Amino acid sequence: GAGVSQSPSNKVTEKGKDVELRCDPISGHTALYWYRQSLGQGLEFLIYFQGNSAPDKSGLPSDRFSAERTGGSVSTLTIQRTQQEDSAVYLCASSLGPQGTDTQYFGPGTRLTVL
Amino acid sequence: QKEVEQNSGPLSVPEGAIASLNCTYSDRGSQSFFWYRQYSGKSPELIMSIYSNGDKEDGRFTAQLNKASQYVSLLIRDSQPSDSATYLCAVARASKIIFGSGTRLSIRP
Repeated sequence: GAGVSQSPSNKVTEKGKDVELRCDPISGHTALYWYRQSLGQGLEFLIYFQGNSAPDKSGLPSDRFSAERTGGSVSTLTIQRTQQEDSAVYLCASSLGPQGTDTQYFGPGTRLTVL
Repeated sequence: QKEVEQNSGPLSVPEGAIASLNCTYSDRGSQSFFWYRQYSGKSPELIMSIYSNGDKEDGRFTAQLNKASQYVSLLIRDSQPSDSATYLCAVARASKIIFGSGTRLSIRP
């Protein structure tokens, strides 16, 4: 079946603009995660959705970052008033069940460049 | 102290040899442990998961877990050039998972 998909694959924007990144998880997966990965660095956790529970937003770096997940499926990560330090690859992952017990499957990522 | 620590490398191993990748973690309550492989410019993909002390083998890969020492490792036997990648260790407890920053492995012909 289809894996995790993300769009756009690349996004170039100007400093101060807002951007929206989209993630389509694997069908039937209840958990969805967003990570950020800067060049040569590890994965930085941003936010986690599990079913209908309130999301774990503990990794969001500032209030310019927000995310929602509609209908328990598609998720959108929004970055307002982008800064150059926001440039990174944004990865989405999904898993069948709760984080920690199930394998996470990653999407191809969105490479964000803020000029 | 980072919650999950890995040597960033690069770790250079001759083709055909055993590559040994190590990871330590700080949370004694951690329950699940994962090794992901990430090729340059690509997304991480799961190689191994391990949940109990001891060894777990899958083909050329063996994961080793020692909860008392808070240590998890990945051995790659008969290393191939295609194994050249960054290997991410991930540690989970309940609803929280933490990734290490990864070890870059290079297999030299």
